[in-house]
Amino acid sequence: QVHLQQWGAGLLKPSETLSLTCAVYGGSFSGHYWSWIRQPPGKRLEWIGEISHSGSSNYSPSLESRVTLSVDTSKNQFSLKLSSVTAADTAVYYCARQRGAAIFDYWGQGTLVTVSS
Amino acid sequence: DIQLTQSPSTLSASVGDRVTITCRASQSISNWLAWYQQKPGKAPKLLMFEASTLESGVPVRFNGSGSGTKFTLTISSLQPDDLATYYCQQYNSDSRTFGQGTKVEIK
Repeated sequence: QVHLQQWGAGLLKPSETLSLTCAVYGGSFSGHYWSWIRQPPGKRLEWIGEISHSGSSNYSPSLESRVTLSVDTSKNQFSLKLSSVTAADTAVYYCARQRGAAIFDYWGQGTLVTVSS
Repeated sequence: DIQLTQSPSTLSASVGDRVTITCRASQSISNWLAWYQQKPGKAPKLLMFEASTLESGVPVRFNGSGSGTKFTLTISSLQPDDLATYYCQQYNSDSRTFGQGTKVEIK
């Protein structure tokens, strides 16, 4: 059974850097792309970016300038950094496994990140 | 980016009713569409992919159809456990996008 467990700081000030990590338990880590998706309060889901086990990445054009994804294959973990956060970045952030083209079949539990001065 | 528009935004139906949700894409996405169910406070759950393929373990009362720019998710007989918000998601382009969601309420 596949399980994703994520963690990171939940309260940030404007201009700080958001940092989240997701650990993958079970299944194949190298056989998939891994994504971050966020959901602002009351709004639609927004895909942030994806990374493979080898570090190949692809980002949403709207966030690309502020996003860095990384992977640690020794720990089956991948991470998200989002720089220069503002209140608009307040959201629940999810990590997810991609299957096939870009179907998200396993999700982390979600982390509420609030940006407030 | 490819935009996805769902309708209705909210629907209220009775247990046993047939419920249909529509998702329209701003350009053709072939059949590269998935549907998710999200219950309050939980992560989304994959229901359907490639527009009409049911994910393993999902009840057969869920049915997906469509191609190109118009897609539908139908629940053949609404159950109390189906109370949730449903999202479509396209994966035709390198930038994945989601619809705004349809909240299903039980009368």
